[in-house]
Order: sequence, then structure tokens, then C-alpha cells
Amino acid sequence: TQLLEQSPQFLSIQEGENLTVYCNSSSVFSSLQWYRQEPGEGPVLLVTVVTGGEVKKLKRLTFQFGDARKDSSLHITAAQPGDTGLYLCAGARETSGSRLTFGEGTQLTVNP
Amino acid sequence: DTGVSQDPRHKITKRGQNVTFRCDPISEHNRLYWYRQTLGQGPEFLTYFQNEAQLEKSRLLSDRFSAERPKGSFSTLEIQRTEQGDSAMYLCASSLRTGYSYEQYFGPGTRLTVT
Repeated sequence: TQLLEQSPQFLSIQEGENLTVYCNSSSVFSSLQWYRQEPGEGPVLLVTVVTGGEVKKLKRLTFQFGDARKDSSLHITAAQPGDTGLYLCAGARETSGSRLTFGEGTQLTVNP
Repeated sequence: DTGVSQDPRHKITKRGQNVTFRCDPISEHNRLYWYRQTLGQGPEFLTYFQNEAQLEKSRLLSDRFSAERPKGSFSTLEIQRTEQGDSAMYLCASSLRTGYSYEQYFGPGTRLTVT
């Protein structure tokens, strides 16, 4: 059973379009992190959210943590080909130490 | 570059052989983690250390797997009698507590192929 469900699994869009990736769970997380991963490389940390309802912005990327700290979303405005990659959400639960539970990822392709 | 480093980046081995991977964390980070990632999946937790103490191990870490962090700095992950199902990307991460969370920073990974 996947504790974190990401949707969609695959997304192919044209440059300039907007998109949203969702990360949902029935469990409460003490913090949630978003990563981006290129083929053959390790995940690169984009942002950490810890407070229910928190919104963080990173240039054209907007991250939101749900009020109940069970879900999160990543919104990209005016996507560019350089945004192409695997986007992973990962949550840490207070009862499981600091280990991260990852979603399966969303493979984003932005076509020029 | 002061990020997490892993060695080797790629390893091809025959079934039944032993392999060892090394991870050097970011120098001031006291926690070090190992994850495994198979194609099309997110990383899965294997184990983690706080300084030299191994605090948690996943059920995925069978008795063929052993990890050490002898001086609280670098860590090694050894797989004995490798099986084809061990083929995966092995990722190391390190962290330091900031506020209410531990932000984990990953290395580039070691890609293991068992033939």
C-alpha cells in the first residue's frame, strides 16, 4: 500500500502551459518535501513545508501543504522545457522518526 | 562541491558476488540515510544513522544487507550474495535538523546491475 499517492503519474504539456501535481495521503505528516529528479541522478530538494495551510513559492513553482497536513500540491506556472523531470513528494511522520515516505512520482515532460 | 557524494556511480556484478558502496555526507550533517529506488518508483527507505548509531532498519533490509557508519562520518552499504532483484539505484542522503524538520539532501546514487 502506497502511503503517498501522486497524480498524475505522467504529464506531457507544451511550453507556457500551467500544471498542478497532487500528493495525497490518509496519514498526517509532520513535514513534507518536494524533490525533482533527473535520469540517473539523485533527487534534488525543492522545498519543505511543515505547517498546515502553508504556501511556499519558488519562482514559477508554488507549493501548498493541506490544512490537515495529509496532502500537498505543486503548481507550475508557464512551464518551460527545463522543468522536465520526475517530481517526487516525500513525507515524514512523527511516529516513524525522520525516514521519508515517497510517492511514486510524476514524470513531467514540457515540449518546446 | 560540498554535497553528498557516492562511490561508485555504477556497479555491474554477477549474481552471488558481494558489493560495497560508499557514501560521504555533507560534513556537518549528523544523520545519514540509505534508500533504494527501482525503475518507475519513488525511493524506499532502507536504514538511517544518527552519528555512528544505526537507529532504524526497514524490513527491506534483509540479512544479506549490512550498513555501517564507523566514525559517524562516511557510511558503507554492503550486499552479500547479490541477487538479480537487488538491481536498483542505491541512494544516500544526509540531514541536519532545521526548525521542526530534517531536510534530506541526496547524493547522485549508485546504480547496481546484477547479471
